[in-house]
Amino acid sequence: NAGVTQTPKFRVLKTGQSMTLLCAQDMNHEYMYWYRQDPGMGLRLIHYSVGEGTTAKGEVPDGYNVSRLKKQNFLLGLESAAPSQTSVYFCASSRTSGSRTGELFFGEGSRLTVL
Amino acid sequence: AQSVAQPEDQVNVAEGNPLTVKCTYSVSGNPYLFWYVQYPNRGLQFLLKYITGDNLVKGSYGFEAEFNKSQTSFHLKKPSALVSDSALYFCAVRAPSSNTGKLIFGQGTTLQVKP
Repeated sequence: NAGVTQTPKFRVLKTGQSMTLLCAQDMNHEYMYWYRQDPGMGLRLIHYSVGEGTTAKGEVPDGYNVSRLKKQNFLLGLESAAPSQTSVYFCASSRTSGSRTGELFFGEGSRLTVL
Repeated sequence: AQSVAQPEDQVNVAEGNPLTVKCTYSVSGNPYLFWYVQYPNRGLQFLLKYITGDNLVKGSYGFEAEFNKSQTSFHLKKPSALVSDSALYFCAVRAPSSNTGKLIFGQGTTLQVKP
C-alpha cells in the first residue's frame, strides 16, 4: 500500500518555465490537497479538491493551477515559475467517513527550486 | 477566520525529561485539533487528534495532548522524551462546520531532545 505518492521529488526550474507536479493516492480518498511549506510559515494550502472533477482555491492559489480528472490523481501546475515559488510542496488526501476521518495522509514532498 | 499559533520556534529538552509543545487556536465553534510530526526530508505523519469527548487524547509514540477550551489550547506532551523524538511538530485545526476537510497549520515547533 503506497499511500500518497508525489512525482518528481526534486526539480530545478528557470524563471518562466512551466511544470506539473503529480500526486497519486491509492486509498480511494475523496479529498485531496496541495500545500507548500516554507521556513517559519508552516504549511499553507494552495488548492484542494473534494472529489473528482472539482477543485477550489486555498490560501495561496496565485500562480498555480490544479486538475482532478481522476479520483486518485491531483495535479499541480505552475504555468510560469517564479523564484517566490521555490518551496517544498506536499500533497495530502483524506477520507470522509470512518474512524480516521479528518486525518490527512501526506506524501513525501516535492522540492522545487526556481532560479 | 481560523488560525493556529505555536508560540515557540524551538523547544529544547533533555532525554528522559517531560516535554511540552504549545499550541493555541482560534476557530468558531468546537474545533477539530490535530498534531503532526515531520522528520527531516519526510512528509508529515499523524500523531493524534481531538474531535470530542475526553480532553486528554493519547496518540502515537507515547504522545498525548490536552484540549483546554477555556484557554483555546491543545498542548502536546510526553512524560519522558527520547532523542528520537527530535523533529518538527505541527499543530492544526479544522472548523467543525467545514465540509472540505482542509486543515490550517501552525508555523511549526522544532523539538530538540539532547542525550
